[in-house]
Amino acid sequence: QVQLKESGPGLVQPSQTLSLTCTVSGFSLTSNSVHWVRQPPGKGLEWVGAIWSGGSTDYNSALKSRLSISRDTSKSQVFLKMNSLQTEDTAIYFCTRSGHLDYWGQGVMVTVSS
Amino acid sequence: IQLTQSPSLLSASVGDRVTLSCKGSQNINNYLAWYQQKLGEAPKLLIYKTNSLQTGIPSRFSGSGSGTDYTLTISSLHSEDLATYYCYQYNNGLTFGSGTKLEIK
Repeated sequence: QVQLKESGPGLVQPSQTLSLTCTVSGFSLTSNSVHWVRQPPGKGLEWVGAIWSGGSTDYNSALKSRLSISRDTSKSQVFLKMNSLQTEDTAIYFCTRSGHLDYWGQGVMVTVSS
Repeated sequence: IQLTQSPSLLSASVGDRVTLSCKGSQNINNYLAWYQQKLGEAPKLLIYKTNSLQTGIPSRFSGSGSGTDYTLTISSLHSEDLATYYCYQYNNGLTFGSGTKLEIK
């Protein structure tokens, strides 16, 4: 069945780079897009960015200068890298599938703090 | 496209018919989805393309709308429907509404 699972460090220092991995199963990355969505504690959902089935990417305009999304189709993994982290980047980060976000991972909590 | 959800907080009783609203700043062309998020869980897709019910979602949930105005309706509220509901447009860019928190009286 379709599954997505996020992994990465729970704590990142301010100004450092966040690296997250989304490992998927039950579907192909060359046939489906994968999106990243984040949710600060107690707040709403924010679309972060996506990598489309053809390998092109789109990013939230507010994060674009700090963000990179890539993939390794042989390993069924999608990667998020965000640099110059600030405390406002503290959030649960989810990966999710397809244009209408039909399947979601459980999310990974990332805290930006010294 | 910006999405405005209303109300931000809704209190209703079990058995009530509940209607949540989502308005876009531009035409969304029916590329509108609804999600339910319970405390401590990932969001769950309820409705996509305005009115298509995701597999496994109870039929008491339905969606409607066109242009800039969309609605999620719960025909008869169940206690397990306690959650925050988000709309999401994927027509022009990708954006979420700010959410409606549904409380059970």
